[in-house]
Amino acid sequence: DTAVSQTPKYLVTQMGNDKSIKCEQNLGHDTMYWYKQDSKKFLKIMFSYNNKELIINETVPNRFSPKSPDKAHLNLHINSLELGDSAVYFCASSQTSLARLDEQYFGPGTRLTVT
Amino acid sequence: AQSVTQLDSQVPVFEEAPVELRCNYSSSVSVYLFWYVQYPNQGLQLLLKYLSGSTLVKSINGFEAEFNKSQTSFHLRKPSVHISDTAEYFCAVSDPFNKFYFGSGTKLNVKP
Repeated sequence: DTAVSQTPKYLVTQMGNDKSIKCEQNLGHDTMYWYKQDSKKFLKIMFSYNNKELIINETVPNRFSPKSPDKAHLNLHINSLELGDSAVYFCASSQTSLARLDEQYFGPGTRLTVT
Repeated sequence: AQSVTQLDSQVPVFEEAPVELRCNYSSSVSVYLFWYVQYPNQGLQLLLKYLSGSTLVKSINGFEAEFNKSQTSFHLRKPSVHISDTAEYFCAVSDPFNKFYFGSGTKLNVKP
């Protein structure tokens, strides 16, 4: 069974479109994260939710809106896509919000290409 | 703010040879240190971590890393690599606010 799954795996779309990436974890974890991996391979935290509540919100454009319908799901919606949004987006989860103590489990990533 | 530098983007090595993947960090606060591994088409997996105590930490598959506070380093080593160790390795630090900062990764390519 896949612990953290993301759909779709690949997403190619045009500038100005709106798209969503879904993430689900079946580990019973309380905390979920979205990371963006840029072209230089740096992974940067975007958002973190603990029990459906937003706890980390880094400086990302308002076009990015996370939604957590329940603690097993954290979706990422992106409005008015721009070329600079092209990246690999990783979802992750951990047992608690104390990420430095709990192991984070990562999904396989979603490669978003904006043309 | 914290930052992590992995100087080597790629490290080619022959099977059974030793390897060291370098990681340096900068931080004005106490940090915790991690190595994650990403096998092809998979998500990142925790390899080992340093929180406190002994500065030498080991993983179950033979990797080890040593926290060196004076040099602000957390280099990853393995005395003898296998083909199956071919993967990308990410060094990371977390701050007291539970935010993670990752390096840009090092691709380890083990050749037969």
